Formats: sequence, structure tokens, C-alpha cells
Amino acid sequence: RKEVEQDPGPFNVPEGATVAFNCTYSNSASQSFFWYRQDCRKEPKLLMSVYSSGNEDGRFTAQLNRASQYISLLIRDSKLSDSATYLCVVFSGGSYIPTFGRGTSLIVHP
Amino acid sequence: DTGVSQDPRHKITKRGQNVTFRCDPISEHNRLYWYRQTLGQGPEFLTYFQNEAQLEKSRLLSDRFSAERPKGSFSTLEIQRTEQGDSAMYLCASSGYNEQFFGPGTRLTVL
Repeated sequence: RKEVEQDPGPFNVPEGATVAFNCTYSNSASQSFFWYRQDCRKEPKLLMSVYSSGNEDGRFTAQLNRASQYISLLIRDSKLSDSATYLCVVFSGGSYIPTFGRGTSLIVHP
Repeated sequence: DTGVSQDPRHKITKRGQNVTFRCDPISEHNRLYWYRQTLGQGPEFLTYFQNEAQLEKSRLLSDRFSAERPKGSFSTLEIQRTEQGDSAMYLCASSGYNEQFFGPGTRLTVL
């Protein structure tokens, strides 16, 4: 089993839709979690951190479920500009080495 | 521009040649990471530095790969005797805490 798993998609949604992605991790000692966004042929950019209490930033909400070992990203009112690949990142406890998921592709269409 | 920069942005080389890439991190960040990314995959960790010390290397990293960060500022990644399988995007990231900030990457094509 991979350390960090994501459904590669693509998730194909219309503008205005709500879409959610999950990312599962295998190491129960994982401590820090992030979502990154990567546009085609560009570098990953930090989207948001994932806190134990959840985190909301505008249309984006990230949550952590430690019992089931997954994090989620919810995007409300999808925009065309949200089309990208969303990468989840997990740090295991005490380690400065992150593990990236393979990413979930989102396509928002008119 | 105070972000992470990488040079060159693109490199085409013939199999068997050596290549070297440079990364200039955000100045106040003490950790610097190198990753490799291929199409449809997330970034794969290669190595990281805390200041000038190389603290970890991926077990998957061939001994043809070497990295340095001599003064704790910029870093170089060298690949010796390149192979076609080395073709990928090589990303550098710097970090003060756990949040990572990436450079634009160097796209390597080995013919």
C-alpha cells in the first residue's frame, strides 16, 4: 500500500458545482498535512494547511480525519480557474521529509 | 523576486553526459529540498539540506546523483552519465517550517 493515496480522477464538474477530494495516508504517526495546487507544466503551490480542527479559506475547506487516516478538500462554487491538479502532502511525525500523493485532476467546464 | 529560482529552466542532453542544475532558495529558509516529478505523478523526494548539511537522501537515489549546498544558500544537483530514464522535471523547494515553496523546475530531456 502506498503511503499517500489519491484518486487521480479526472473529476469533471460544471461551474458552480461543489466537489470534494480525499487523500488517505498509511502512517498513523503522520503529523502535518497540506494541500497543494499544480497547474499544467507549472510548479506546485501551497493551497492550504490542514489542521486538526479543519481549515477554511473562502470557497475551500480542508479537514482531517485521524481515525480513518484521510484528509479532504472541499471546493464550493467551482470556477473555471480551479481546473488544476490537487496534491496532498503528508509529513510523518518527527520527519521533515514530505510524501506527496500523485494528485487529483479537476476539470471545471462551463 | 524573492521566491525560489532554478536554472536552467530546460536542459536537453545526450545519454551519458553530465548535467548540473542550480537552485536559489528563499533567503531566510534553512531547509532546501530536491524532487523529481514525472507525468501523472506527484513530486518524488530526492534529498534535503538543513543549512549546508545534507540530512537525508532517498534510498531510490542512484549514486549517479549528487547534491551540494556549500554555504547553506544555493544548491546544485548533478546527474552523471545521464540515462533516458532520468528525463523528468527536477523541482527545488525551500522551507522554513513544513510549508514548502517550489521553484519553477528544470525540465530535463535525455536523448
